[in-house]
Amino acid sequence: GAVVSQHPSWVICKSGTSVKIECRSLDFQATTMFWYRQFPKQSLMLMATSNEGSKATYEQGVEKDKFLINHASLTLSTLTVTSAHPEDSSFYICSVSGGLYEQYFGPGTRLTVT
Amino acid sequence: QKEVEQDPGPLSVPEGAIVSLNCTYSNSAFQYFMWYRQYSRKGPELLMYTYSSGNKEDGRFTAQVDKSSKYISLFIRDSQPSDSATYLCAMSEETGRRALTFGSGTRLQVQP
Repeated sequence: GAVVSQHPSWVICKSGTSVKIECRSLDFQATTMFWYRQFPKQSLMLMATSNEGSKATYEQGVEKDKFLINHASLTLSTLTVTSAHPEDSSFYICSVSGGLYEQYFGPGTRLTVT
Repeated sequence: QKEVEQDPGPLSVPEGAIVSLNCTYSNSAFQYFMWYRQYSRKGPELLMYTYSSGNKEDGRFTAQVDKSSKYISLFIRDSQPSDSATYLCAMSEETGRRALTFGSGTRLQVQP
């Protein structure tokens, strides 16, 4: 399967600041990437679908102006959490579409907003 | 009612036991069924991937899909302490944007 990395693995930021999370597909050209959020002891909730060279498609209830997604190349997608607040503290995970319907996930980024 | 239901556990078994993990779902359009393993604070790892109904075996793992009952299972034989993790089922429709719908995950503990 595809190898996916995320950076940073853990970030702490102050309320009101913005944070950028990178997702890289290391061995696979990914036209489609997905961003998920996972709260403690809960399942993954899809936030948005990121397509290379076009605007992301956001799930209902996800603020597109708050969670900015850029998929500028076949190997890199970024998620920027703007004006972060403590309720945005979560585990953010990206995945790469593997060609059919399987997805390969990155190791996740833990965001803590103080 | 959630689209995908999964018992959260925890499920505790002795080493060497056969483990059965299950999910039920309500969306009859789901055609692709996956099982992921997730260790604490890590990304999910794809274990098994099945299309439509039937069985699939890979080493100690067997995945079963019964579309008539809207029920899928993952069996782990000869369970090991290293199998202790959260197991997530995930499903997708055949058409559309390939988004996955996840179960809530079952936490498994294999006692040495």
